Amino acid sequence: EVQLVESGGGLVQPGGPLRLSCAASGFTFSDFWLTWVRQAPGKGLEWVANIKPDGSEKNSVDSVKGRFTISRDNDKSSMSLLMNSLRVEDTAVYYCVVRGLHDFDYWGQGTMVTVSS
Amino acid sequence: SFELTQPPSVSVSPGQTARITCSGDALPKQYTYWYQQKPGQAPVLVIYKDSERPSGIPERFSGSSSGTTVTLTISGVQAEDEADYYCESADSSSIWVFGGGTKLTVL
Repeated sequence: EVQLVESGGGLVQPGGPLRLSCAASGFTFSDFWLTWVRQAPGKGLEWVANIKPDGSEKNSVDSVKGRFTISRDNDKSSMSLLMNSLRVEDTAVYYCVVRGLHDFDYWGQGTMVTVSS
Repeated sequence: SFELTQPPSVSVSPGQTARITCSGDALPKQYTYWYQQKPGQAPVLVIYKDSERPSGIPERFSGSSSGTTVTLTISGVQAEDEADYYCESADSSSIWVFGGGTKLTVL
């Protein structure tokens, strides 16, 4: 059974850092692109960043470029999102997502990040 | 980057057909995915690659594509289908974009 478990969310002050983690199991982790998607309270889904299976390619939405860094450890089947210079508008539930061929598409339960003073 | 446009809301009575559209200039070149999200839950894939239905998704869910518009059709809507629906596509650089979401209300 595919499982994605996010952790690391919490309350952080504006300008502060936070690291999110995603622990994966139930599939061959090193074969798949991984993605972070977020959802602000009462708002829609927003793609944040993704990373290639071997880590050689990373993409991110313009609003987080230079502040957020996505990484992965294929030996530990885990992915991270290091978030620096956090802003109030980064407040959201952050989901870890894996998608492959056909209908292989799994989301974690999400972790809440609140940026507030 | 590109944008995907969805109507904010669609309302139908039980048993009727609901159609939710998603428009974007890049859609003829890229596959579209549709997600259903109920309050407090993670999104669930209901259509992939424009018109394919994942295993476990009821047959009343279907997808179609025509030019720059893709459509999610729910035939014989049931009360349990009330949810937010999002279309999603990617540009050639593996960058995903979501539509703004459509709230489906079952009257």
